[in-house]
Amino acid sequence: AQSVTQLDSQVPVFEEAPVELRCNYSSSVSVYLFWYVQYPNQGLQLLLKYLSGSTLVKGINGFEAEFNKSQTSFHLRKPSVHISDTAEYFCAAMNRDDKIIFGKGTRLHILP
Amino acid sequence: SQTIHQWPATLVQPVGSPLSLECTVEGTSNPNLYWYRQAAGRGLQLLFYSVGIGQISSEVPQNLSASRPQDRQFILSSKKLLLSDSGFYLCAWSRGLEDTQYFGPGTRLTVL
Repeated sequence: AQSVTQLDSQVPVFEEAPVELRCNYSSSVSVYLFWYVQYPNQGLQLLLKYLSGSTLVKGINGFEAEFNKSQTSFHLRKPSVHISDTAEYFCAAMNRDDKIIFGKGTRLHILP
Repeated sequence: SQTIHQWPATLVQPVGSPLSLECTVEGTSNPNLYWYRQAAGRGLQLLFYSVGIGQISSEVPQNLSASRPQDRQFILSSKKLLLSDSGFYLCAWSRGLEDTQYFGPGTRLTVL
């Protein structure tokens, strides 16, 4: 079955600490991977995407993600979070019908 | 540059009333258009997508319908709303089915 799994529904992190949001995808989806961010009461915004090439992808706001084919993962990382990073983060993958499948989201809570 | 608009931003409707949500895209032609629903704790669900005027594909059976009367206009409708239709509705566009999707600001619908 085609799926995108975000293992953590919520992640609390202290301000200025590093964070990793985990994402795994099923091997039946195409290897086009995305991370979107949704700030409170707003729509979704693309953070970064992996289509091909370097497995380390850098996005906006200091985020990066690493594509790991052997582990079918695309974890999102930031070395030092800020209170403004409080949001819900969605991992997504393109399936073989060229439709995007989203994970259920991870809510990032930044603690002062 | 391209922009995507949705209105209204919020809507409170009684059960059994009709619904019409509008999405328009500017700055591009013949976009692919999508309607998603984000219900609490359930992530994003693709409802409809359209590759051209008058062409609508439905992903899940439901109480809603979609129409595309113009190239850059996508409308989500219902004749009679159900309580379960409450949620956050997002419109998105992309150049092709395999391309990055860009999301509108969303409409929060509450059915009472």
